[in-house]
Amino acid sequence: NAGVTQTPKFQVLKTGQSMTLQCAQDMNHEYMSWYRQDPGMGLRLIHYSVGAGITDQGEVPNGYNVSRSTTEDFPLRLLSAAPSQTSVYFCASSSRRGRGYGYTFGSGTRLTVV
Amino acid sequence: AQSVAQPEDQVNVAEGNPLTVKCTYSVSGNPYLFWYVQYPNRGLQFLLKYITGDNLVKGSYGFEAEFNKSQTSFHLKKPSALVSDSALYFCAVPNNDYKLSFGAGTTVTVRA
Repeated sequence: NAGVTQTPKFQVLKTGQSMTLQCAQDMNHEYMSWYRQDPGMGLRLIHYSVGAGITDQGEVPNGYNVSRSTTEDFPLRLLSAAPSQTSVYFCASSSRRGRGYGYTFGSGTRLTVV
Repeated sequence: AQSVAQPEDQVNVAEGNPLTVKCTYSVSGNPYLFWYVQYPNRGLQFLLKYITGDNLVKGSYGFEAEFNKSQTSFHLKKPSALVSDSALYFCAVPNNDYKLSFGAGTTVTVRA
């Protein structure tokens, strides 16, 4: 089925460890983005990409890196995990066709930093 | 910037009763508005969207939403709630083609 695939679904890290959250889409969407979900705060944009080789920061980029070498993949890297990064992370993709077209979300990665 | 607000953190209703989840928006120009639902330990699922046209939008799982320009609202409704509708609901507005701005979310609990 076409969509956005995120791995892993769950992860526990120790403070200071690094890891990469994977995101892949097979809809040939130009745009991809990463959000984090925290209670009472909705979803906040971390980083986004408007195409291969082009990335930019969102609202809460500190502590995260991204790259986009292909249209399909958009990994999110935590450089040195901190307890404040405990959250649920969602990857999303959308089409250049326009903001009314819609946004497709992955199933999320639940990250706990201890 | 475009934004939405969800004034209620929680909504509790009895099964079979009408369900309303409130959303107000602040948008320049013609708004595009979305509703998403997140069931426990699941990802975000699209419910419905308003782009233009009829003020009453019908979506998935029997939900509908009413766009009201004078009140700048886009409330989500279901005539008869089910226990399985218990979930976290988000209103959202696109700031551009690649960024959605979300409300804080409303937790709906439907009791049997």
